[in-house]
Amino acid sequence: QQPVQSPQAVILREGEDAVINCSSSKALYSVHWYRQKHGEAPVFLMILLKGGEQKGHEKISASFNEKKQQSSLYLTASQLSYSGTYFCGTENWADKIIFGKGTRLHILP
Amino acid sequence: DTAVSQTPKYLVTQMGNDKSIKCEQNLGHDTMYWYKQDSKKFLKIMFSYNNKELIINETVPNRFSPKSPDKAHLNLHINSLELGDSAVYFCASSLKKDFSGSSYEQYFGPGTRLTVT
Repeated sequence: QQPVQSPQAVILREGEDAVINCSSSKALYSVHWYRQKHGEAPVFLMILLKGGEQKGHEKISASFNEKKQQSSLYLTASQLSYSGTYFCGTENWADKIIFGKGTRLHILP
Repeated sequence: DTAVSQTPKYLVTQMGNDKSIKCEQNLGHDTMYWYKQDSKKFLKIMFSYNNKELIINETVPNRFSPKSPDKAHLNLHINSLELGDSAVYFCASSLKKDFSGSSYEQYFGPGTRLTVT
C-alpha cells in the first residue's frame, strides 16, 4: 500500500526549515528517501531501518517511528539546491519499495 | 563513468509497435529494477532482478517483458505499445540485501521518456 506524504507541496525562502512526513498503514522494515529534480533521476538521500540503523548523507536528517509507521525528513537552513520533489519509499518484507506521491519543495532566493 | 545508463533517452513511437529499452550498470550491483513514472510523477516498481533471476513482478501487462542477460544488464521489451504506456521508465540498481536483511540505496539511470502516439 502506498505511503502517504505530507505536505504535497512547500514553498520556502532560502535559509528556512521544512519537515516532510511519510506514513504507512502497514508495518515497515525500512523507509527510503529520495530527491528528484525536474527532468532528472531520483537521487538517494537516506535509508532508515527498523532497529534504528540509518544510512545516508551526513547533511540530511530524518527520523523513523517504527510503532507509528511514520518517518520525517528534516531540511534545515534550506538552500536553493534543495528544490525538487522528495519521495519517501516504504519497504516491508517483500523486498520492494513502494513510493509515495512525492512532496514538491520550492526554495525562493 | 556513468554508473547506471539507459538507451535510448527518448523514444517516440506509434501505437502497436514493439520497442526495447536497454539498461546497464557498472557498479557491480546484484539487483536491478525497472520503474515507471507517469505524468503525475508517481514512481511505481515494475520488475526486479537479482543475479539474472526475476524476484519482483508487479501487476504489469504481459506486453512488458524484462530480460537480464547478465547481472549488469536489464532490458525491457514492450510489445503492442498503447497510449497509456507513455511515461518515463527508470532503471535502477542496488546491492542485494545482506544477511541481516539490511537494505541498500538504489542508483537510478537517467530515464527513458517513452511517448506513444
